[in-house]
Amino acid sequence: QVQLQESGPGLVKPSQTLSLTCTVSGNSITGGIYYWSWIRQPAGKGLEWIGRIYSTGSTDYNPSLKSRVTISEDPSKNEFSLRLSSVTATDTAFYYCARGRVVSGGFDAFDIWGQGTMVTVS
Amino acid sequence: DIVMTQSPDSLAVSLGERATINCKSSQSVLYSSNNRNYFAWYQQKPGQPPKLLIYWASTRESGVPDRFSGSGSGTDFTLTISSLQPEDVAVYYCQQYYSSPLTFGQGTKVEIK
Repeated sequence: QVQLQESGPGLVKPSQTLSLTCTVSGNSITGGIYYWSWIRQPAGKGLEWIGRIYSTGSTDYNPSLKSRVTISEDPSKNEFSLRLSSVTATDTAFYYCARGRVVSGGFDAFDIWGQGTMVTVS
Repeated sequence: DIVMTQSPDSLAVSLGERATINCKSSQSVLYSSNNRNYFAWYQQKPGQPPKLLIYWASTRESGVPDRFSGSGSGTDFTLTISSLQPEDVAVYYCQQYYSSPLTFGQGTKVEIK
């Protein structure tokens, strides 16, 4: 059974860097069959895609966050990570990691999500 | 960016009745080379992450009850719950994965009347 688990500080000071890790069990993050994303959701609000990593470390970011975001992977630990720099109160949200499928025509939907972790910037 | 707009923002339906949620994308998410709509529906219950219900606009994810169905193509899509059950109370989101950045609708809250 594939599981994703987010971890990291729940409180980050303004202007600092938010760092989260998603540990994947039951599925290798390498191999090119899946892509791995970060998505966030302010409390009571909608979903915002942050970015993804796929096939040998290629990345793709939401332009609205691109200047502040880095997503990386550690295949030895079967983890991928999010770094978001220069945070402000507007970055306060639940942060989810999720798996998406790579298909012949590109990418598919997110079929497995982590439980999410709340990050407060204050 | 492709903007996804859902309607209504909320709806209340009696148990056993049909619930219909619409989603409109600002541009087509139909990929002509494979005739697939790069479109999905998710269900999110309080305190839980979103759960994939429908992908490719009309393909039900494994384990999803058949009272959930998706339809539409191009820019207009519909999620139908044929007979609302108590466990279907949730917020429903549409999403396009046709192009980056991936984008979601604002959500539709479904309640029991």
